[in-house]
Amino acid sequence: GAGVSQSPSNKVTEKGKDVELRCDPISGHTALYWYRQRLGQGLEFLIYFQGNSAPDKSGLPSDRFSAERTGESVSTLTIQRTQQEDSAVYLCASSSFFGGETQYFGPGTRLLVL
Amino acid sequence: DAKTTQPTSMDCAEGRAANLPCNHSTISGNEYVYWYRQIHSQGPQYIIHGLKNNETNEMASLIITEDRKSSTLILPHATLRDTAVYYCILLYRGSQGNLIFGKGTKLSVKP
Repeated sequence: GAGVSQSPSNKVTEKGKDVELRCDPISGHTALYWYRQRLGQGLEFLIYFQGNSAPDKSGLPSDRFSAERTGESVSTLTIQRTQQEDSAVYLCASSSFFGGETQYFGPGTRLLVL
Repeated sequence: DAKTTQPTSMDCAEGRAANLPCNHSTISGNEYVYWYRQIHSQGPQYIIHGLKNNETNEMASLIITEDRKSSTLILPHATLRDTAVYYCILLYRGSQGNLIFGKGTKLSVKP
């Protein structure tokens, strides 16, 4: 079946602009995760959605970052007033309620802030 | 506070088996051994997981020692496309939360 998809695949923006990144999880997966990966670095957790529960926002680096999820489907990560240090690959992953420790990742969105 | 230890890098000849070790001497009884990999410029990819029995799927085999203190991921016939960073992590069954990858092993498959 279809895997996790993300759009856009690449985004170049100017400092101070807002950006929206989209994630379509695997159908039926209740859990959705956003991570950030800077060049040459490891994964940095941002936010986690599980069903209708309140999301775990503990990884969001500042109040410029926010994310929403509609039910158990699409999620949008929004970065307001982008800064150059926001440049990174933003990865989305989803997992099922049972066996939720196995996460399936999308290809990522490469964000470059000039 | 890494719970797993892996070599920093390994080389493997194309077509040969790649054996990637992982030490996890403090593993608890209900922690699973999971392997992911990340090919350059791609998102991480789930490979395989196991509790105490050896496991095999279309991608790899996982050998876990009887005392569960170490394991080996085996790619039976490595190809150039298997060049990636391989991560061994421990997860409780049913856990839902963010993945924390260590440094992993950079596997270079050479022609």
